[in-house]
Amino acid sequence: GAGVSQSPSNKVTEKGKDVELRCDPISGHTALYWYRQSLGQGLEFLIYFQGNSAPDKSGLPSDRFSAERTGGSVSTLTIQRTQQEDSAVYLCASSWTSGRDEQFFGPGTRLTVL
Amino acid sequence: RKEVEQDPGPFNVPEGATVAFNCTYSNSASQSFFWYRQDCRKEPKLLMSVYSSGNEDGRFTAQLNRASQYISLLIRDSKLSDSATYLCVVNVIMTTDSWGKLQFGAGTQVVVTP
Repeated sequence: GAGVSQSPSNKVTEKGKDVELRCDPISGHTALYWYRQSLGQGLEFLIYFQGNSAPDKSGLPSDRFSAERTGGSVSTLTIQRTQQEDSAVYLCASSWTSGRDEQFFGPGTRLTVL
Repeated sequence: RKEVEQDPGPFNVPEGATVAFNCTYSNSASQSFFWYRQDCRKEPKLLMSVYSSGNEDGRFTAQLNRASQYISLLIRDSKLSDSATYLCVVNVIMTTDSWGKLQFGAGTQVVVTP
């Protein structure tokens, strides 16, 4: 079956612009996660959705970052007024439920802020 | 102290040799344990779950030691294709009525050489 998909695969933007990243989870998965990973670094948790609600937003680095999920499926991560330090790979993952189940990752969106 | 800690390596392993490494976790209530593999510039992929009694999947063996709060991964007869970063993943219970969330270690790099 189809895995987690993310778009775009690559995004180059200028400092100060807004960007929107999209994640389409595996059908039926109720939990959805956003992470980011800088080159050579580990995964940094950003936010987690259970259905359409976000019980844990603790990883969002600033108020420039926001995310939503609609219909219990697709999620968008929005970064406003991008900064160079936002450059990273943004990974989305989904799982059947939350907390204990293995997560399946999408291929990521590589964001470069010039 | 980090919730999940790993030796970053690299572990340089001759082809055909055995390599093993551990991961320690701090939350004694953790219930789920996994090893993921991440290739360079790729998304993490589930390698195997780790069960209380220990488990094997081909050349890979995972062990859980709850008393000392660590999990281990052993790779036998290493192949060049085993070169990757291995991520230790543990679910971390946040509150008494929560299933918690998965916490990813920063990874252990393994380099298999001809």
